[in-house]
Amino acid sequence: EDQVTQSPEALRLQEGESSSLNCSYTVSGLRGLFWYRQDPGKGPEFLFTLYSAGEEKEKERLKATLTKKESFLHITAPKPEDSATYLCAVVGSNTGKLIFGQGTTLQVKP
Amino acid sequence: SAVISQKPSRDICQRGTSLTIQCQVDSQVTMMFWYRQQPGQSLTLIATANQGSEATYESGFVIDKFPISRPNLTFSTLTVSNMSPEDSSIYLCSVESRDYEQFFGPGTRLTVL
Repeated sequence: EDQVTQSPEALRLQEGESSSLNCSYTVSGLRGLFWYRQDPGKGPEFLFTLYSAGEEKEKERLKATLTKKESFLHITAPKPEDSATYLCAVVGSNTGKLIFGQGTTLQVKP
Repeated sequence: SAVISQKPSRDICQRGTSLTIQCQVDSQVTMMFWYRQQPGQSLTLIATANQGSEATYESGFVIDKFPISRPNLTFSTLTVSNMSPEDSSIYLCSVESRDYEQFFGPGTRLTVL
């Protein structure tokens, strides 16, 4: 069964304090790993897609990396506006459907 | 990416009633999806809606409770029938762009009293 586990559940950072969010996955035939940002009361906003181990994607202060077992979302010098819940999801060849983790809620204090 | 809108954005309903949620996309898409996000939880797929065919429901979701229409390539509706407080959630529609990437609408926040 495809499974996604994110850690930590919650993370509090000071502005400028870099850190990483983890997404561990178990999937038969990874078709893609996806990162989303979700603000309270809103739909998830697409951030990145990673397809194969070793792949990296960057956008502003965010960088996503992928290995065969996990993905990291690195946040460099975060700002308060980076506060949100970050969701990781995978698609495997068995189901072809997005399977979401529980998310990491990030709070960045000024 | 596609621009997706949902109506209503939120609603408060009485137990036993039904609510229909609309999802409109600004471009033609083959696959549309409906998700539920219960309070404090992540997203759970309810069903996949393809134009011209019956929706495909995930385990734990049935057509009588969540009937779906997909009359064309830019529009879909999800009805939450005979509601109970346990149906209080955010309901989200999404579309698949390419290579399994999905883009989500803003969501409909439903509260059932």
